[in-house]
Amino acid sequence: GAVVSQHPSRVICKSGTSVKIECRSLDFQATTMFWYRQFPKKSLMLMATSNEGSKATYEQGVEKDKFLINHASLTLSTLTVTSAHPEDSSFYICSARRGQGLSNEQFFGPGTRLTVL
Amino acid sequence: GENVEQHPSTLSVQEGDSAVIKCTYSDSASNYFPWYKQELGKRPQLIIDIRSNVGEKKDQRIAVTLNKTAKHFSLHITETQPEDSAVYFCAASVDYGGSQGNLIFGKGTKLSVKP
Repeated sequence: GAVVSQHPSRVICKSGTSVKIECRSLDFQATTMFWYRQFPKKSLMLMATSNEGSKATYEQGVEKDKFLINHASLTLSTLTVTSAHPEDSSFYICSARRGQGLSNEQFFGPGTRLTVL
Repeated sequence: GENVEQHPSTLSVQEGDSAVIKCTYSDSASNYFPWYKQELGKRPQLIIDIRSNVGEKKDQRIAVTLNKTAKHFSLHITETQPEDSAVYFCAASVDYGGSQGNLIFGKGTKLSVKP
């Protein structure tokens, strides 16, 4: 159990276009999902926390108008990179929290490699 | 807010030897400490976690120890194998009184196990 999928796994786009990445919890309900960005050989940088039915909470320095997050259901969160630029090229990983209260297990998706030309 | 420091950043061991990765945290309210393993180009996978009500937890060749007083926790891998080679991340989260805060990750340790 506790499988998280992410789609697409890899995307190449032109500068100025928008890209949508989907994150799904396949066998559990996730009230909270997280979006991370990871640069080569670097740690996971939390971008935002996505709560079902409410606005996402963005970390300091992350532009909410550029990285649009929608958590439409208990199993789906999307991240849209708007007006992408080459510096947005990165590995984007989502995770989903299973359980509430004192349970804080997070399960990660396989990641999406975004390349902006 | 919480800050997690992880050392070393790289670690190279001979197959069969033990490997130890250490993390310190700043917020004494943190009570959940997971460890993730990330192989190249793949997702981080939870390998073991510990909560603040215990001092040690073991799962086959992997163990985690927690010292709440000193605010540090460590990952121990015994009898290392080449397939243990990966980047390992520690993390900590704070209990805000009924709901958990977000995981704060260390910067990672690249473990290389030489055959």
